[in-house]
Amino acid sequence: QVQLQESGPGLVKPSQTLSLTCTVSGGSISSGSYYWSWIRQPAGKGLEWIGRIYTSGSTNYNPSLKSRVTISVDTSKNQFSLKLSSVTAADTAVYYCAREEGSGSFFFDPWGQGTLVTVSS
Amino acid sequence: SSELTQDPAVSVALGQTVRITCQGDSLRSYYASWYQQKPGQAPVLVIYGKNNRPSGIPDRFSGSSSGNTASLTITGAQAEDEADYYCNSRDSSGNHLAVFGGGTKLTVL
Repeated sequence: QVQLQESGPGLVKPSQTLSLTCTVSGGSISSGSYYWSWIRQPAGKGLEWIGRIYTSGSTNYNPSLKSRVTISVDTSKNQFSLKLSSVTAADTAVYYCAREEGSGSFFFDPWGQGTLVTVSS
Repeated sequence: SSELTQDPAVSVALGQTVRITCQGDSLRSYYASWYQQKPGQAPVLVIYGKNNRPSGIPDRFSGSSSGNTASLTITGAQAEDEADYYCNSRDSSGNHLAVFGGGTKLTVL
């Protein structure tokens, strides 16, 4: 079965760029009609969708983050990545990657275990 | 603010039935999916589509939809069902962006 694992620095300084990678195992990132998404959750708060990428390279972003977000894919490594620029303390959160069903019903499954990113000097 | 609205908290007596709702204009066009999240864990998909359960999800979980409201029903709630529940669907802009409800904290008494 497909599994996802986030990786990247757990601490980022304010104004810098947050960079995370999601590695997909147990299946090809290019197979099926799936999108590959990033979702975050500040401590004690709800889930916020950040954006998605299709293996063709097409992307969609949350309008509230669009100016700072870039999602890319490396099919040769079976990975997709998130870059969030000009971070502030408000970007401190657990970041999840997830596979998103893209045809018919829409849902996220599976999810990575999540990685905590703290923005602090 | 979220385009999908959920009650912040709901409680249910052990073994009883509880309904968790999610309201939003986009639900007139799209089904909701539902996720269970326990403390310190990633969300887990419990319902998707019209009323579909992934493998391993107990059949006491069911979903329904009417108008602008989607519902997750737990029939015979168990102690292990105590968790946060989130609905998810598309936004109402027509751009197929994903959106989550604010979440409902379910307490099993």
